[in-house]
Amino acid sequence: ILNVEQSPQSLHVQEGDSTNFTCSFPSSNFYALHWYRWETAKSPEALFVMTLNGDEKKKGRISATLNTKEGYSYLYIKGSQPEDSATYLCAFIGGFKTIFGAGTRLFVKA
Amino acid sequence: EAGVVQSPRYKIIEKKQPVAFWCNPISGHNTLYWYRQNLGQGPELLIRYENEEAVDDSQLPKDRFSAERLKGVDSTLKIQPAELGDSAVYLCASSSRGVGGEQYFGPGTRLTVT
Repeated sequence: ILNVEQSPQSLHVQEGDSTNFTCSFPSSNFYALHWYRWETAKSPEALFVMTLNGDEKKKGRISATLNTKEGYSYLYIKGSQPEDSATYLCAFIGGFKTIFGAGTRLFVKA
Repeated sequence: EAGVVQSPRYKIIEKKQPVAFWCNPISGHNTLYWYRQNLGQGPELLIRYENEEAVDDSQLPKDRFSAERLKGVDSTLKIQPAELGDSAVYLCASSSRGVGGEQYFGPGTRLTVT
């Protein structure tokens, strides 16, 4: 059974703190790894599509790394802001399957 | 560019009743997904279409769920009859780049079965 795990389940930080989350996925049949941000009352929005081992992607204060050999990806947020409060989902695409993790819920307090 | 449109946004029905959800993907997006999301869990893929062909419906409970994608554009997901355990958010997403491409999500339909 293919499984995608995200940790931590939730995280409370202060404005200005830097933080990171983990997504663990199967190391076989890898095709792509996606990160999405899902704000309350909105639709999930894509942050990154990652396909190559060693990939590093950055968008503003948010960046992500990918290790397909060991099956993990990290998402980093530098200098968290209250507007970063959301659920961050990762999705493993491989073996003709798309499997989402349960997400990490981030709360940033001003 | 218009986003993915879903309707209705909310639906409350009694168990054993039928229900249908509609999705209009972004124009030109050949790949369409239906997901079910239960509270505290990630979206679970129900079915993926490439144009009008269902290429992955392995997670679709076929005894009560059905889906169609008319002419490779709009799609409808139906549940008949609904059960209490079907209460969830049903998300539609589309992509222009096949299975590995970035997905654009609609706002979802929140279904409550009483």
